[in-house]
Amino acid sequence: EDKVVQSPLSLVVHEGDTVTLNCSYEVTNFRSLLWYKQEKKAPTFLFMLTSSGIEKKSGRLSSILDKKELFSILNITATQTGDSAVYLCAVGDMKTSYDKVIFGPGTSLSVIP
Amino acid sequence: DTGVSQDPRHKITKRGQNVTFRCDPISEHNRLYWYRQTLGQGPEFLTYFQNEAQLEKSRLLSDRFSAERPKGSFSTLEIQRTEQGDSAMYLCASSFRDGPYEQYFGPGTRLTVT
Repeated sequence: EDKVVQSPLSLVVHEGDTVTLNCSYEVTNFRSLLWYKQEKKAPTFLFMLTSSGIEKKSGRLSSILDKKELFSILNITATQTGDSAVYLCAVGDMKTSYDKVIFGPGTSLSVIP
Repeated sequence: DTGVSQDPRHKITKRGQNVTFRCDPISEHNRLYWYRQTLGQGPEFLTYFQNEAQLEKSRLLSDRFSAERPKGSFSTLEIQRTEQGDSAMYLCASSFRDGPYEQYFGPGTRLTVT
């Protein structure tokens, strides 16, 4: 069965620390991997990855995909309290007529001053 | 605001009652998704529309759940004879044409069944 696993499930760090969030997946027909940030509201899109080894960056956040080992990491450098959120990893699994998106359970990040 | 909107934002209902939620996607998006999210879990796929056609339904979607998207614009999700296990956040998302999609999420409808 298709699944997405994230680790750790929760993490507490101090402002300024660097964190690495992990996402591994098993899907039948991989199409893409997406990272979302969810605060106390709906998920907001961060990155979409389709090719191995190509880093996506946005400010202090970066992500990379390894399609051979079936995982992705999300790095956040110089963390700030505003980074506190649940980070969701999702994988697009290409089905017959559309791409089903399967979400992992999320990593809850707390950044303390 | 041109994002995805959902209504209502919160709904409290008694077990056995029917509820209906509405989602208005981003206007140029032709794909619309419904998800359910419970505490500590990621969103679980429920169903998907491309324009007005419902192309996929999850096994999670029992016969008490039905979704429509008349005219390929807004969508409704109805739950009949609600059960306490239906209590969750119901999220709607939309994306543009062919993938691989960024899905844009609405604020969600939080359902509490008492």
